[in-house]
Amino acid sequence: DGGITQSPKYLFRKEGQNVTLSCEQNLNHDAMYWYRQDPGQGLRLIYYSQIVNDFQKGDIAEGYSVSREKKESFPLTVTSAQKNPTAFYLCASSISRNQPQHFGDGTRLSIL
Amino acid sequence: GESVGLHLPTLSVQEGDNSIINCAYSNSASDYFIWYKQESGKGPQFIIDIRSNMDKRQGQRVTVLLNKTVKHLSLQIAATQPGDSAVYFCAESGDYKLSFGAGTTVTVRA
Repeated sequence: DGGITQSPKYLFRKEGQNVTLSCEQNLNHDAMYWYRQDPGQGLRLIYYSQIVNDFQKGDIAEGYSVSREKKESFPLTVTSAQKNPTAFYLCASSISRNQPQHFGDGTRLSIL
Repeated sequence: GESVGLHLPTLSVQEGDNSIINCAYSNSASDYFIWYKQESGKGPQFIIDIRSNMDKRQGQRVTVLLNKTVKHLSLQIAATQPGDSAVYFCAESGDYKLSFGAGTTVTVRA
């Protein structure tokens, strides 16, 4: 089945540690996205990539970094500079602009 | 700036009744609108979308209405079922970025 796979499902971070969240898609989509969701709130865009080897900051990019070396993969690193990283992180992909974004089932990040 | 919002944070519906979820947006340049359903612990699931050159679009048991004059979007669910219980988000876009509202939690009463 085609889809988006996020791993791990749960992740714990120690103070001062960087952690990387994985996102893989086999939908052959050009565009990929990372969102953060806090309890009772909507999704906020962290980074997005329209094409391989290119990405842009979203609304809340500070403390995060991404790479897009392959079409299928768009990993997100939560750095130690992100002071409030506890959240539900969602990855999505779409064929192009103004097309439905398809989401993975998320990674829940917590602080130890 | 851009903002997308839902009129009500919660909606309780009797099983079998129709549900209407409302959403207001403020960006006149938005030309694409989409509804998602999110169940607990999962990612949002696409329900239906509509482009700004349309006023209405129907899917299976769902209808989306777009009123560009008052910048209003609604999702109608026919014959609401227990499996429809979830959080519903509207989102709008003028480019690659989707802007999401805070969501409406729909609870279906048996």
